[in-house]
Amino acid sequence: QQQVKQSPQSLIVQKGGIPIINCAYENTAFDYFPWYQQFPGKGPALLIAIRPDVSEKKEGRFTISFNKSAKQFSLHIMDSQPGDSATYFCAASGANAGKSTFGDGTTLTVKP
Amino acid sequence: GAGVSQSPRYKVAKRGQDVALRCDPISGHVSLFWYQQALGQGPEFLTYFQNEAQLDKSGLPSDRFFAERPEGSVSTLKIQRTQQEDSAVYLCASSKTGGPSYNEQFFGPGTRLTVL
Repeated sequence: QQQVKQSPQSLIVQKGGIPIINCAYENTAFDYFPWYQQFPGKGPALLIAIRPDVSEKKEGRFTISFNKSAKQFSLHIMDSQPGDSATYFCAASGANAGKSTFGDGTTLTVKP
Repeated sequence: GAGVSQSPRYKVAKRGQDVALRCDPISGHVSLFWYQQALGQGPEFLTYFQNEAQLDKSGLPSDRFFAERPEGSVSTLKIQRTQQEDSAVYLCASSKTGGPSYNEQFFGPGTRLTVL
């Protein structure tokens, strides 16, 4: 059973557009929801993370929206740039669990 | 910079060979994680150390996989009698403290293992 489902698999937007990536989770014990950005040949790097006690968190051009009742969360990238072209992963982990469960990733292409 | 480093970056092994992958975490980081990332997939958890203690090895796919962190810093992931399905990128991550999940994990660049 896949515990974190991510969509879409790929996404193409024009520069300045607002790509939105969605994730859904099953395990109600999850209480930490990070988003990672990964470039080819590199490891994932944390972009932004949220806990379920808030419904939205914004850091720079990146915003997470969180819907606890629906067990869904999403990443919005404002004013997207070609340099944002990368693979994005959502993840989830539970208190004291340490490990993260990742979605399958979304390949984002931002066209100039 | 003093990020997480992994070696080798690339490893080609013949089926049946043993391999050892090394991870140097950020100095002072208590927790260390190993993940396996297949092509086009998200990382999948393998195992987790807090200092030298292996607290969770539930993700290791078989008894051919073994990880250690004897002095609580450098870790080695060993795969015995490699199979083609072991081909993947192996990622190491470290975080500052153990316990609660609110700690940022810093990932290394990974080791790409190809088993022929």
